[in-house]
Order: sequence, then structure tokens, then C-alpha cells
Amino acid sequence: DAKTTQPNSMESNEEEPVHLPCNHSTISGTDYIHWYRQLPSQGPEYVIHGLTSNVNNRMASLAIAEDRKSSTLILHRATLRDAAVYYCILRDSLGGGSQGNLIFGKGTKLSVKP
Amino acid sequence: NAGVTQTPKFRILKIGQSMTLQCTQDMNHNYMYWYRQDPGMGLKLIYYSVGAGITDKGEVPNGYNVSRSTTEDFPLRLELAAPSQTSVYFCASRGPLYGYTFGSGTRLTVV
Repeated sequence: DAKTTQPNSMESNEEEPVHLPCNHSTISGTDYIHWYRQLPSQGPEYVIHGLTSNVNNRMASLAIAEDRKSSTLILHRATLRDAAVYYCILRDSLGGGSQGNLIFGKGTKLSVKP
Repeated sequence: NAGVTQTPKFRILKIGQSMTLQCTQDMNHNYMYWYRQDPGMGLKLIYYSVGAGITDKGEVPNGYNVSRSTTEDFPLRLELAAPSQTSVYFCASRGPLYGYTFGSGTRLTVV
């Protein structure tokens, strides 16, 4: 399975932007980059995903390097509610059978200070 | 729309006891998954199903069994509980779009 590398933890101040990095040097051409987050005592929730181009949604933005070996999840204005563990996961776009399974690492624990 | 519902939320088992963790989804998703999460760790895949009647092992299937008789339900069975199975268990489903929907989890303690 393709793997990702994330910092164990990061801190941010409330209402400031947060950039969460992810390295995936062994990414294949058919791998999508997915981000999930897990709030305390809850199940993970989908944040965003992308293949090559930068992506935006109401929760966050995803910036993907031109060589696709790294990406950055951007929270434009962190709130206390954004304190969570953020997981960067590669998932094969073909999606069939086990290829579509999400494989979780340890993620980055984001703390937000008021 | 309830999404993915897991029951029970908490359970304490004695070593050697059996139990079934229930998972049901109302989104008509074909794909369903069971994960476990140990303290401070990421989620590990136990079993998954690509549709009714089809199941397959994930990364850590030993000590567990699953069945998928309907699209909606994907129960996880522990036959002989062991302390190593103390964990938080998450069920998830996935439809034609890419995002997974997770349940709120079952916290299991085996003593």
C-alpha cells in the first residue's frame, strides 16, 4: 500500500490559517489524495479529496504539488471546533475490492488555541 | 437520514464471552467496513464487504467474523473475547461517490 507521512502534532491559533502537510513520495498515477478528520470521541469524517488539481470545498482547501509527491490541507480560519486528528490517505481511484479501502496512519493531531 | 448507526455504544465483556456489534446504514451503500482503533493509533481494517453476500478480510481479522445478508446491515461477531480486543470499533459505508461515512463507534472493554 502507498504510504503517507504526516507530522505527529501541530498547533494553531484560533482564526488563523492552518497548513497541514502530507508527504506521499510513492504515490501512483491512479491514487487520489483523501483527507479525513476525527474529532474527539467521534468517528472520522470526510474532509476533501483530489487527484492533481487544487480543490476547494466549504470545509477546507487541498493544495497538491505539481509532482504529486506532497499535498497540504488548508483550513482558512481555524476554530476551536477544528481541533482533531487529521488523516492524509491515498486511495486507488479504480476503487474495486480492497483497492478502494482506506488505510489509516496515525495522522496529525491539531490543537487550536483561543 | 440517520447515516451509519452502531449499537451498543459501550460494552464490557468478560474473557471468553461472545457478542455481536451491530451496524446498519440507510444510504443504500454497497461497500461497508469494520475498523478498530486502539488508543493513540489510527484505524485498522478488520473486515469489509462489497455487497450483500460478499465479505473479505482486512488487516486484522483474527478473532472476528462478519456476515452481510442485506445491503443495510453488517454485524461484527466476537466469539471468544480476549483482552487484546479491547478497543473502539467503527463501522463505515461508502457509496458511488468517494467519501466514507462512519458511525459514532462502539467502545468495548474485555476484562
